[in-house]
Amino acid sequence: GQSLEQPSEVTAVEGAIVQINCTYQTSGFYGLSWYQQHDGGAPTFLSYNALDGLEETGRFSSFLSRSDSYGYLLLQELQMKDSASYFCAVRDDTAGNKLTFGGGTRVLVKP
Amino acid sequence: EAGVVQSPRYKIIEKKQPVAFWCNPISGHNTLYWYLQNLGQGPELLIRYENEEAVDDSQLPKDRFSAERLKGVDSTLKIQPAELGDSAVYLCASSPDLGETQYFGPGTRLLVL
Repeated sequence: GQSLEQPSEVTAVEGAIVQINCTYQTSGFYGLSWYQQHDGGAPTFLSYNALDGLEETGRFSSFLSRSDSYGYLLLQELQMKDSASYFCAVRDDTAGNKLTFGGGTRVLVKP
Repeated sequence: EAGVVQSPRYKIIEKKQPVAFWCNPISGHNTLYWYLQNLGQGPELLIRYENEEAVDDSQLPKDRFSAERLKGVDSTLKIQPAELGDSAVYLCASSPDLGETQYFGPGTRLLVL
């Protein structure tokens, strides 16, 4: 089976940097995705890493280390609108490319 | 481009009643997913369709849940009879391929009383 671990909650102030770690255990690994979900809203895709290294998209970056079964999402120059839940999700190549989501990290940005 | 459409957005029913949710995926997306999301948790896959074929329904509680995607476009998820524990958000998502990026609808919030 698959399991993912990520912190349940992080609090930071505007302009700060937040790193959300995600460790996973899976029988077959294809890639790691990150999704953002505001309260009452739909999850929206942020990034995808299939290879080791850092992927940068504006203020958000995502990192993957396949050998460590570890990844993180880096949120820079935090804004109030970044207050949301962030989910890592493993794409499993032994289960028909199924996505298994972590429990989510709730990020609260304070002024 | 229109996003994934779901209806209804909210539904309140009494236990043992039936309920149905409808999803219209993004045009051209062959893969459709139904997820269940409990409060404070991540989405959990219930069923995945490739066109009209259900290719992964291992997590669907088949004693009370059913789904269909007859023409490979719209899909319906049904619960009959509903139980108190079914109260959750039911999310529909679609993707143009096998899942690198999934596009989610706003979900249907179900409350079973």
